[in-house]
Amino acid sequence: AQSVTQPDIHITVSEGASLELRCNYSYGATPYLFWYVQSPGQGLQLLLKYFSGDTLVQGIKGFEAEFKRSQSSFNLRKPSVHWSDAAEYFCAVPYNQGGKLIFGQGTELSVKP
Amino acid sequence: KAGVTQTPRYLIKTRGQQVTLSCSPISGHRSVSWYQQTPGQGLQFLFEYFSETQRNKGNFPGRFSGRQFSNSRSEMNVSTLELGDSALYLCASSLVFQGRTDTQYFGPGTRLTVL
Repeated sequence: AQSVTQPDIHITVSEGASLELRCNYSYGATPYLFWYVQSPGQGLQLLLKYFSGDTLVQGIKGFEAEFKRSQSSFNLRKPSVHWSDAAEYFCAVPYNQGGKLIFGQGTELSVKP
Repeated sequence: KAGVTQTPRYLIKTRGQQVTLSCSPISGHRSVSWYQQTPGQGLQFLFEYFSETQRNKGNFPGRFSGRQFSNSRSEMNVSTLELGDSALYLCASSLVFQGRTDTQYFGPGTRLTVL
């Protein structure tokens, strides 16, 4: 069955430092993969998505993610974190061709000044 | 293009009552999915509606129901509220290509508190 694991519940980085958030998935075929971000009390905003093709995907706000089939991973990266990046980040994979997304547990990002 | 809108943004109800939440999708999107978000269980899928028909259903009791109107707006209803129904309810809209639900775009959510 499809599943998503985000191993890190909480990460703290210093402003200006690089960031990598981990996501591992279990999926029978080539998956569609998504990263969403959620600020406190808000809905989810799409950061980026992978459907096929180039395994390095660029998103909004300077984020990128790399799909690695051999490692079943889709890690999110940013070269230099800003204080406004503090939020919760979710990795997701579709359950089937319908509208059910399976989400990871989320990673809460804190940014130190 | 306007995003997904949800009303109301906040609700306070008491146990045993029922509640109806509304979701207006992005113009042109005909699929609407609903999710429940709680600190303990995370994001869980409730159901998806497409062209006024329920297409997918999550593992929630029958107290949770929904519907979709011809203009693609959707409502979800929770009857006989329990304390555990307190959560952020999110809806997401998407296009559907060749039967496959495309990228989901989320609304701001409705925060339901059950006392």
